[in-house]
Amino acid sequence: EVQLVESGGGVTRPGGSLRLSCAASGLNFDDYDMNWVRQAPGRGLEWVAGVNRIGGSSGYADSVKGRFTISRDNLRKSLYLQMDSLRAEDTAVYFCTRENQEHRWPHFFYYMDVWGKGTTVTVSS
Amino acid sequence: DIQMTQSPSSLSASVGDRVTITCRASQNISNFLNWYQQKPGKAPNLLIYVTTNLQNGVPSRFSGTGSGTDFSLTISSLQPADFATYYCQQSYSFPRTFGQGTKVEI
Repeated sequence: EVQLVESGGGVTRPGGSLRLSCAASGLNFDDYDMNWVRQAPGRGLEWVAGVNRIGGSSGYADSVKGRFTISRDNLRKSLYLQMDSLRAEDTAVYFCTRENQEHRWPHFFYYMDVWGKGTTVTVSS
Repeated sequence: DIQMTQSPSSLSASVGDRVTITCRASQNISNFLNWYQQKPGKAPNLLIYVTTNLQNGVPSRFSGTGSGTDFSLTISSLQPADFATYYCQQSYSFPRTFGQGTKVEI
C-alpha cells in the first residue's frame, strides 16, 4: 500500500522554526516529484512548495518564499519542509503529496494522487 | 499566478440529484485540470485528473468536462457519501493553484 506519513508539527511562537517530515512507503520514491500543500483552519487548499524527483529543482508559493525550504532524501524515502520565521498565518494542516504524471505527447500532465493525513502547525504567541 | 474560481461556493442538494460544479481559470490551461474531494477532518482525495479521467476506484457517477478556461464536475446522482467539499486545481504552471472549494450539503 502506498502511504505518506507526515510528522513534526506542533505549536511555536511567531518567529520560530519547525521542520516537517514525510515518510513514504510502498512506492519508488525517487520516481516522483513531491509537494507540500497546506490548509488553514476553515479555509481552502494552498500549494506551499514542490521538489522534483532528484531534489535538484524546487518551487515555492510567494507567501513562503525565503522562509521555507523543501528538500528530500531519496535513500530514506523522505520529504522535508524546513519552516523558519513562522507567522500566525502559517497556522495550518500541512499535507505531503505525491505528484504523479501522465505523458500524452507532447505534454506531461500532473496530478496529486497520494496524500498524507497531514500534520498540524500552530503559530501563536 | 493562475487564479481558479469555482461556483457556487456551496450548494444544497438531495440524494439522487444531478449536481454540477464549475471552475474557471484566469488564463488558458488546456486540459491541465484536476478535481479533489475532501471530507471534514480528512485529507483530500483525487477524483478526476486531466479534466476527464476518473481516478481508480472513483464511481462512474462522477464526470469532468471542459478545456481552456472553463471546466465542470458533474455528479449524475448524488449519494450520501458525496456530501463533501470539492476543489479544482490547475497543473499547467507553478505555483499550483486551487479553487476556493464548493461545499455540497444536504
